[in-house]
Amino acid sequence: QSVLTQPPSMSGTPGQKVTISCSGSDSNIGTNTVNWYLHLPGAAPKLLIYADDQRPSGVPDRFSGSKSGTSASLAISGLQSEDESLYYCASWEDSLSGWVFGGGTKLTVL
Amino acid sequence: EVQLVESGGGLVQPGKSLRLSCVASGLAFDVSAMHWVRQAPGKGLEWVSGINWTGDKKHYADSVRGRFTISRDNRKNSLYLQMNSLRAEDTALYYCVKLAEPLGPMDVWGKGTTVTVSS
Repeated sequence: QSVLTQPPSMSGTPGQKVTISCSGSDSNIGTNTVNWYLHLPGAAPKLLIYADDQRPSGVPDRFSGSKSGTSASLAISGLQSEDESLYYCASWEDSLSGWVFGGGTKLTVL
Repeated sequence: EVQLVESGGGLVQPGKSLRLSCVASGLAFDVSAMHWVRQAPGKGLEWVSGINWTGDKKHYADSVRGRFTISRDNRKNSLYLQMNSLRAEDTALYYCVKLAEPLGPMDVWGKGTTVTVSS
């Protein structure tokens, strides 16, 4: 029942490229930028992508973001075992005057 | 070192109150928007509340509006969350978060403090 919709799980093999989708509406992704967070169990979430497609310093360029209309995507190329984690998208929701998150996507590296 | 350290969590009975605190160091707290985000057991991230750098603009999730109050003391580099009328569904790990800009990304996260509401 999250405002933003993500696939609950995805998987890939080392070296592969995976793309995680995030679907919203006009009042969130359609109007505001999207941020992506990586959340390892037992650790604090970490900012991965901001303003749709910008990488903070220190984030490998294997991670890239994009947005079109009311949907956004996080692509991870050259998949590595350490990429196995939970990934969340987030955007500001105008109708709520607050942040909304996707339900999270658990990425498994086979 | 940039750091946010939460405290104040614990076990509390339904209907009671709890006050969370977050102390910032190594960052420009007094000009930063600050928020609280929580994660219930087995669930995803949920935004709870946010406050601008001056403290005069506050936002709340529908699930906590009227029960929770966010505040800050820039002299003490501290953020607070007063939680009243606690419910079982408020049980979660509560993260203190700094925004990079007023409606920007959450670029610094604390490690969280756990709140358990149970009789």
